[in-house]
Amino acid sequence: NAGVTQTPKFQVLKTGQSMTLQCAQDMNHNSMYWYRQDPGMGLRLIYYSASEGTTDKGEVPNGYNVSRLNKREFSLRLESAAPSQTSVYFCASSLPGQGNQPQHFGDGTRLSIL
Amino acid sequence: AQSVTQLDSHVSVSEGTPVLLRCNYSSSYSPSLFWYVQHPNKGLQLLLKYTSAATLVKGINGFEAEFKKSETSFHLTKPSAHMSDAAEYFCVYTGGFKTIFGAGTRLFVKA
Repeated sequence: NAGVTQTPKFQVLKTGQSMTLQCAQDMNHNSMYWYRQDPGMGLRLIYYSASEGTTDKGEVPNGYNVSRLNKREFSLRLESAAPSQTSVYFCASSLPGQGNQPQHFGDGTRLSIL
Repeated sequence: AQSVTQLDSHVSVSEGTPVLLRCNYSSSYSPSLFWYVQHPNKGLQLLLKYTSAATLVKGINGFEAEFKKSETSFHLTKPSAHMSDAAEYFCVYTGGFKTIFGAGTRLFVKA
């Protein structure tokens, strides 16, 4: 049982390049999330998808786009990377339940933008 | 406004001594509260959750937390620290369709 799988694990980009972070879950969860983690700031929500076909902005959506490809997959795209987007990105999934369901996290993508 | 505050950015204990990681929240909703642990280069793993059932919640690896509404607190405890407990711990609040992560507490365990 893999849980939540993120690819790639590490990536270095140059300013202005684009890339897509991939996330897939095999727990049949409806809800999926993208977070970024920066030192001393906990995790901040970028986008979430309550169910297949829907996406909503979180706390820090600027500079990002998402696609909920199907129930399993939720990708995050940086169209024109900026140094401020250097961070560790986590994907998570959960059952529906208005916030009282725990989230299951991938191991993260460490992204550096030069 | 809803918020969650982890009162210590770092906690250091000796192996075999008790662990206390403190978390306070502010909310006008009935909260759900979670503690997660993050080991280096890993994602967050659920330790335990409170969702309006028993106020004393037992989790994995010997951790437990007590929900105290009057003090708006949800502190994490463990009677005896083990070296493998060294990690970062996050208190997470959900309420009113909002999820807020605390800034984290890094736990150091000395041999």
